[in-house]
Order: sequence, then structure tokens, then C-alpha cells
Amino acid sequence: GEDVEQSLFLSVREGDSSVINCTYTDSSSTYLYWYKQEPGAGLQLLTYIFSNMDMKQDQRLTVLLNKKDKHLSLRIADTQTGDSAIYFCAERDSGGYNKLIFGAGTRLAVHP
Amino acid sequence: SAVISQKPSRDICQRGTSLTIQCQVDSQVTMMFWYRQQPGQSLTLIATANQGSEATYESGFVIDKFPISRPNLTFSTLTVSNMSPEDSSIYLCSVTPGVTDTQYFGPGTRLTVL
Repeated sequence: GEDVEQSLFLSVREGDSSVINCTYTDSSSTYLYWYKQEPGAGLQLLTYIFSNMDMKQDQRLTVLLNKKDKHLSLRIADTQTGDSAIYFCAERDSGGYNKLIFGAGTRLAVHP
Repeated sequence: SAVISQKPSRDICQRGTSLTIQCQVDSQVTMMFWYRQQPGQSLTLIATANQGSEATYESGFVIDKFPISRPNLTFSTLTVSNMSPEDSSIYLCSVTPGVTDTQYFGPGTRLTVL
């Protein structure tokens, strides 16, 4: 079945760039997503990319998609302490009904 | 996007009881989903709530344990029945405003079962 994998933890210094990586297995996925979850909160949609794109930029966020390697990354420029959260990668199940398959989440810790 | 609210935001329940969680959206949406996030874990889809018909459950989830209602295009409920401590999780509602639109999540309901 479909699977999404992420590294579990990333620590960066404030002001540096953060890169969170994700791999997925469903080559037919049409959309891939990044969600952010702060402590005690629900999921906030950060950005998404359609499978026919290689890159998408939105202010401090850059998403890169390597469809051949089924690799997705999220780069956060000028990382701030407010970016500390868990970041989930998700792929849309190509089987329909808009079902999302989530990775385990990457906990980003930003330190001074 | 859509504004989604869930009630209750959190609850502490006794083993063997049931809890109904409500999800309300500020506009009509095509699809509504219920997810579970166990402590320290990722999200797992429980079921798709279908308006006017029975919900579609994922493998490992059954209607007797998680009955779902969706009486209209803006509202759904999830009941967690005959609860045990293993049901302690965050339960999240999500919606897709259109057929191919992005999923937006509610704030979640944090359930603790003693």
C-alpha cells in the first residue's frame, strides 16, 4: 500500500534555513501537501504542490518535488522560533475520495 | 478555504462510555473526513462521512465502534463508543470544499479515557 516517510527530528539555529524531507510510494499521486501542527493545535495547511510541478515558492517556503525519486522537500528560509512545530508530509491517495496518506511528522526545533 | 469548528475541544471520559464529537463548517462542503491521531503518532483516516448515506470506513475501523452521521453539507458527528484507554487520541475532522480541492482540518478534539 501507499507509504509516506519522513525523518522524525530536525534542529536548526534561528535565522538558518530548514529543509524537511519526505519520500512517498504512490507514483500516481496528483497532489502532495505540507501541514504544520503546533502543540495542542489542529493541522494548518502550509502549502501543496501538483505532481506536474518541480517547484513551488510561497514567501519563506519552497517546495521541491522530484517525481522520479518520489522525493518531496520543504525549505523554510530564515527559520524563526515560531516555526517550531511538527511538519507533516501527505500524499493524496490516487484511489480517489481525496484520502490523504500522512507521514509520521518531523519535529522542527529552532534554537537561538 | 473553510472555517471548521469541533465540539468538545477536549474531554476526559470513563471507560465503557461513549462520546459524540461534532464538526461544523461555515460553508457547504463536498466531503468530510474523520481522522485519529494517537499520542505521538501521525494521522490515520477513520472514515469518509457521506451526506445522506452510510460512512465509508477504512480498514481496521467499524461502524459499531465509530458511528458517523452527516445530515447535511455543513455538519457531521463522530461517536466513539464503549471507550477504552486505547481510544485516547486527538480526533480531527477535515473537509474538502470541492471535489478536487485541498483538505482543511478542524482544531481537533483531545480525548482522554480513564
